[in-house]
Amino acid sequence: AQSVTQLDSQVPVFEEAPVELRCNYSSSVSVYLFWYVQYPNQGLQLLLKYLSGSTLVKGINGFEAEFNKSQTSFHLRKPSVHISDTAEYFCAVSPSGNTPLVFGKGTRLSVIA
Amino acid sequence: DSGVTQTPKHLITATGQRVTLRCSPRSGDLSVYWYQQSLDQGLQFLIQYYNGEERAKGNILERFSAQQFPDLHSELNLSSLELGDSALYFCASSSPRRGGYYGYTFGSGTRLTVV
Repeated sequence: AQSVTQLDSQVPVFEEAPVELRCNYSSSVSVYLFWYVQYPNQGLQLLLKYLSGSTLVKGINGFEAEFNKSQTSFHLRKPSVHISDTAEYFCAVSPSGNTPLVFGKGTRLSVIA
Repeated sequence: DSGVTQTPKHLITATGQRVTLRCSPRSGDLSVYWYQQSLDQGLQFLIQYYNGEERAKGNILERFSAQQFPDLHSELNLSSLELGDSALYFCASSSPRRGGYYGYTFGSGTRLTVV
């Protein structure tokens, strides 16, 4: 069964600093990879996805992620964070489009003014 | 508004009771997924329906059941509730798209508190 490990449960970072949220998944022949964001008292919103093709994926709100097959990683990055980026971020994986997503336990990003 | 509607938003009930959570998927989406989110377990997949039929089952307790109706809305039934069932319950929907797979659209969740 697929599994996802988000290596940091909490990441504090100063405003306008860069950030990287780490995600590793258990290997499979091929996978679809996702990052979701959850703002307080809201549902999950899709940030970006990797299905195939270019390993660098750009998403909404200035976020990007890089798929690294050899390291089975899909780390999320943003060059300069804002206070409004404070939220919980979830990495998710699916072996195919018809298989339910498996989520990591989440990383709480706190942006400090 | 994501297009996925969940009701009610909040629910407080006593141990031993039964509740029903409702989800209306985004227009055109055929799959509905139910997830339970708690502080210690994170997001746990419960069950998936596709066009009215059960497609996949995850960590769903025998006290829990679900169904998807002909109009594609879904209900999650939780019975003999225990304190540990207190959690956020999310519904998500998706549908195959030509040329790709686009992930899920989530509702805003139902917060269940069992007292």
